[in-house]
Amino acid sequence: AQKVTQAQTEISVVEKEDVTLDCVYETRDTTYYLFWYKQPPSGELVFLIRRNSFDEQNEISGRYSWNFQKSTSSFNFTITASQVVDSAVYFCALRVNAGGTSYGKLTFGQGTILTVHP
Amino acid sequence: GAVVSQHPSWVICKSGTSVKIECRSLDFQATTMFWYRQFPKQSLMLMATSNEGSKATYEQGVEKDKFLINHASLTLSTLTVTSAHPEDSSFYICSAILNPRNEQFFGPGTRLTVL
Repeated sequence: AQKVTQAQTEISVVEKEDVTLDCVYETRDTTYYLFWYKQPPSGELVFLIRRNSFDEQNEISGRYSWNFQKSTSSFNFTITASQVVDSAVYFCALRVNAGGTSYGKLTFGQGTILTVHP
Repeated sequence: GAVVSQHPSWVICKSGTSVKIECRSLDFQATTMFWYRQFPKQSLMLMATSNEGSKATYEQGVEKDKFLINHASLTLSTLTVTSAHPEDSSFYICSAILNPRNEQFFGPGTRLTVL
C-alpha cells in the first residue's frame, strides 16, 4: 500500500520569507510518480509538478523549487520569497505505475495549510 | 491543458433526497475517471474509479449502493448520492485520465450540503 505523509499541518510565514513544505512517501513499487497540488480557498486543485521515480533532478520554476531524494523518500517543496497569494493548502500525492485496479489512483498526503501574512 | 467540468458547483438539499453530480471531460475522451471526497480541513479521499462501459470500482468502506456511479460515455461520469444525510455533506471532486499521456485532470469540485 502507498502512503504519503505531510507532517506540517499548518505553516505561517510573513511575506518574503522562504518556506519549505515537507513530503515523505512510502511505496514498494519501483516506478511511481510524485505530485504537488495547490488548493486555494476556491477549492479547485491546481497542478504544480509531476516527477517520476527515475528523475531525481531538482526542479525550479520561478519562485518554486522541488527537492526529490529517493534515499530518504522525500519530495519537498520550497517557495522562495513567499507572497500572500501563495496562501493555500498544498498537497503532495503519489501514484504508482501499476495497472489494473490501481491504474491512475492518487494517494494524497494530509495537506499543509500555508498562510502568508503581509 | 485539458478541461474537466463539474455540475453543479454547489448544491443544498434536504435529508433523504438524492443528488446527482456530473463530471465531464470537455475536450478529451476519458475511459477512466475518479471520484474523491474531501471533508473540511482534510485531505482528498478516493471514493471510486469510474470506468466507461463497466461497473465502478469502489474503495474499501465506500457504500456502492449509496454512491451510485455511472460512466455511460467517454466524456461523462455521474455520481449520485442517494438518500443523502447531513454526514454526506462534503466537497466532491472528480478527475479524468487523459491517455496516452496518462495525465490526470481535476474538476473544480462540487460542494454538497445536506440539511
